[in-house]
Amino acid sequence: EDQVTQSPEALRLQEGESSSLNCSYTVSGLRGLFWYRQDPGKGPEFLFTLYSAGEEKEKERLKATLTKKESFLHITAPKPEDSATYLCAVGANAGGTSYGKLTFGQGTILTVHP
Amino acid sequence: DAGITQSPRHKVTETGTPVTLRCHQTENHRYMYWYRQDPGHGLRLIHYSYGVKDTDKGEVSDGYSVSRSKTEDFLLTLESATSSQTSVYFCAIKGWGELFFGEGSRLTVL
Repeated sequence: EDQVTQSPEALRLQEGESSSLNCSYTVSGLRGLFWYRQDPGKGPEFLFTLYSAGEEKEKERLKATLTKKESFLHITAPKPEDSATYLCAVGANAGGTSYGKLTFGQGTILTVHP
Repeated sequence: DAGITQSPRHKVTETGTPVTLRCHQTENHRYMYWYRQDPGHGLRLIHYSYGVKDTDKGEVSDGYSVSRSKTEDFLLTLESATSSQTSVYFCAIKGWGELFFGEGSRLTVL
């Protein structure tokens, strides 16, 4: 059974204080590791896909990295508008029958204070 | 904008009544999904579809059924709503590998 665990559950930062969110996973053949941002009352918004260990993706103040067991979402010099819940998900290779299904972690609630 | 519309966006109903949530997409995607999101559980897959009239169960499918008679519409039905089905329901479509989500339907079962 695929599992995704995110830590910490909540993170409070001061504006400009860089930090990282963790996503640990177990999956029977990784098809992709996905990061999403979710604002209150909204649907998850896609950020990144990582496919193999060593891969990195960047977008503005966010950088996602991937190892064989975990992924990190690094936030550099965050601003209050970066406050949101960040979700991690994995997709498994199931012999070509995964149908694109994703298994999600519970998310990290990030609050950035001015 | 992924071209996904969910309706209704908010609904309050009573235990034992039937409820249908609708997901409509405008981009002709083959794969569609229904997830529910609850505090402490994250997003969990209810049902998914891989084509017209082709559907299968996810991890939390008990008490739910789905139908897909047209590519653009994926319906989620609660035959007899229970309080444990109070949740926020998200529809999603599959892009290259990632999923794109709708804005959600908040259902309260009293």
